[in-house]
Parts: sequence; structure tokens; C-alpha cells
Amino acid sequence: DVKVTQSSRYLVKRTGEKVFLECVQDMDHENMFWYRQDPGLGLRLIYFSYDVKMKEKGDIPEGYSVSREKKERFSLILESASTNQTSMYLCASRRAGAYTGELFFGEGSRLTVL
Amino acid sequence: TQLLEQSPQFLSIQEGENLTVYCNSSSVFSSLQWYRQEPGEGPVLLVTVVTGGEVKKLKRLTFQFGDARKDSSLHITAAQPGDTGLYLCAARNSGGSNYKLTFGKGTLLTVNP
Repeated sequence: DVKVTQSSRYLVKRTGEKVFLECVQDMDHENMFWYRQDPGLGLRLIYFSYDVKMKEKGDIPEGYSVSREKKERFSLILESASTNQTSMYLCASRRAGAYTGELFFGEGSRLTVL
Repeated sequence: TQLLEQSPQFLSIQEGENLTVYCNSSSVFSSLQWYRQEPGEGPVLLVTVVTGGEVKKLKRLTFQFGDARKDSSLHITAAQPGDTGLYLCAARNSGGSNYKLTFGKGTLLTVNP
């Protein structure tokens, strides 16, 4: 089974702190994604990476950066957390070229910024 | 950015009832997917539809892709409490990025025993 693992299920941080959200997948997928999920807004794409060291902005990249140094790992970084970044963060992966293929999601990381 | 509109936003029904959830856009989709998300979990793929007019069945779930590929529906027959969850449609529009999938806001379904 494909497994996408997010390092932390729940985090509580203070405004201005730097936050790292880690995501690891074990199926050798080239494409990886970070979404945030908010009530009434659905899933919104923050960043995606189509291969190692490659990244592209999604719909809401402001306030976030990403790192993809190894194929299996995609990190989301909040340089200076703010309260409006309190949300559920979902990581996903997909095989390259499988544009109609399945996105495999992690269980999510619920971040609260105080 | 393509806008996917899902309706209804919330749905609470009794076990055994039938229901339909809709996903619409003004844009043409090259493909559309339906996911279900249970509390505390990430979304899980139910189906992918690609061809206009396509109908796919998954046990008590029937998925339909509109002829013009601008809309889709999910029909559940004889709903069960295990069907409870957030149903999300997601689409890649024609001519858009091959990587980017846009999600609707979801339909939160509660099936009461």
C-alpha cells in the first residue's frame, strides 16, 4: 500500500515562529503536493513539486516555502507563522505522468498558531 | 483558477435514503475525480471519470460525468452510516497545468442510523 506520512498530526506554535511540516512517501512518486483545508473553503493548493529540487507555486503560496531535496520527502515551511495560517495541512503524492491518476494523501497536520 | 461548485454543502439523511451530490463548473474538464474524506483522515479516491457521458458504479455509488464534461454527480443508493464523510470533487481542466488539480469545497454527508 502507498503510504504518505506527515510528521506531526497536531502542532501548536506562536506567532512569528518558524514551522516545518514534513511529508514522506514510500512509493517512489515524482509528484508531491501541499494543500491546506479550511471549513467552507475546501482544499487549496499551496505548492507542488513535480520532481526532486523542482517546485511550483499553487494558488496560495504567500507566507509559505517548500523544500524537496530527496524524492521521498517534501517539506512545507512557514518562515514566520501567523494566526491566519491556523489550518489543516494535507500532503499528497502521485506518480509522474498519471494526470488522471490518484492523489494519495497523508492524514493531515493540524496547525494552530496562537 | 477554475471554480468547482459543489452542492449541497451539507446533507443529513436517514439510513436507507438515496441522495445525489453535484459538482459543476463553467469550464470543461479533461478529467474529474471524486474523493471521500473521513474525520481525522486524508481524502481517498473513489473514482476518476474521463469521457463525457461516462457512468461508473462502485457498489451503491453511481458517478456520472456530463456530456459536455462541465458537471458531474454522485448518487448513493440506500445510504448507510458508513457513507458518512466529506465528499470532494476534483478536476483538471482542459488546457490547464497537467499537475494541478482543483478541488471543490465539498459536501459533508451525515447518515443517521
